[in-house]
Amino acid sequence: QKEVEQDPGPLSVPEGAIVSLNCTYSNSAFQYFMWYRQYSRKGPELLMYTYSSGNKEDGRFTAQVDKSSKYISLFIRDSQPSDSATYLCAMSTLPGSARQLTFGSGTQLTVLP
Amino acid sequence: GAGVSQSPSNKVTEKGKDVELRCDPISGHTALYWYRQRLGQGLEFLIYFQGNSAPDKSGLPSDRFSAERTGESVSTLTIQRTQQEDSAVYLCASSLARGNLEQFFGPGTRLTVL
Repeated sequence: QKEVEQDPGPLSVPEGAIVSLNCTYSNSAFQYFMWYRQYSRKGPELLMYTYSSGNKEDGRFTAQVDKSSKYISLFIRDSQPSDSATYLCAMSTLPGSARQLTFGSGTQLTVLP
Repeated sequence: GAGVSQSPSNKVTEKGKDVELRCDPISGHTALYWYRQRLGQGLEFLIYFQGNSAPDKSGLPSDRFSAERTGESVSTLTIQRTQQEDSAVYLCASSLARGNLEQFFGPGTRLTVL
């Protein structure tokens, strides 16, 4: 079993839809949770970063962490064609840990105009 | 300023040949990471450099893989006697310090082993 599981998709939605992307994990020591966005043939870029449980909102994006269920989500409201990308969740135990981040396999999202 | 750069952007090689991939991190970033991303998969950690400390090589898949970094600047990842299963995108990332979780990624080198 992988430490971090992510539905690979692909996910295709119409413009304006609400998108829900999810990851589950098995390591209860994870405390820092991130979402990266990766456009085709580009490196990933950090989108959202949360610590422990709770919600964090940034514009059209909301990150949600439920540590009791070992489940994290990223919601995208009013999705745009420019949101079409692969979304990777990433997690870490402590900032000083050598490996830093454990990544999910990514969900490919296409927003149709 | 400039982001993380990697070269070459694409590399096609024959099985058994050696390849060298280069990463230029963001100036001032002391931490540098190499990852491998196979098609449709997440990022697989390979190696981590932090300043002048000994690198964490625990993610290297075999002794055919090695990496070096000169001080806090350029890093090279070398794959000897390449195999077809080495075909992947190799991503480099840097961050300000070991405790800083935000990693800035380069565009990657797409390696194809025929």
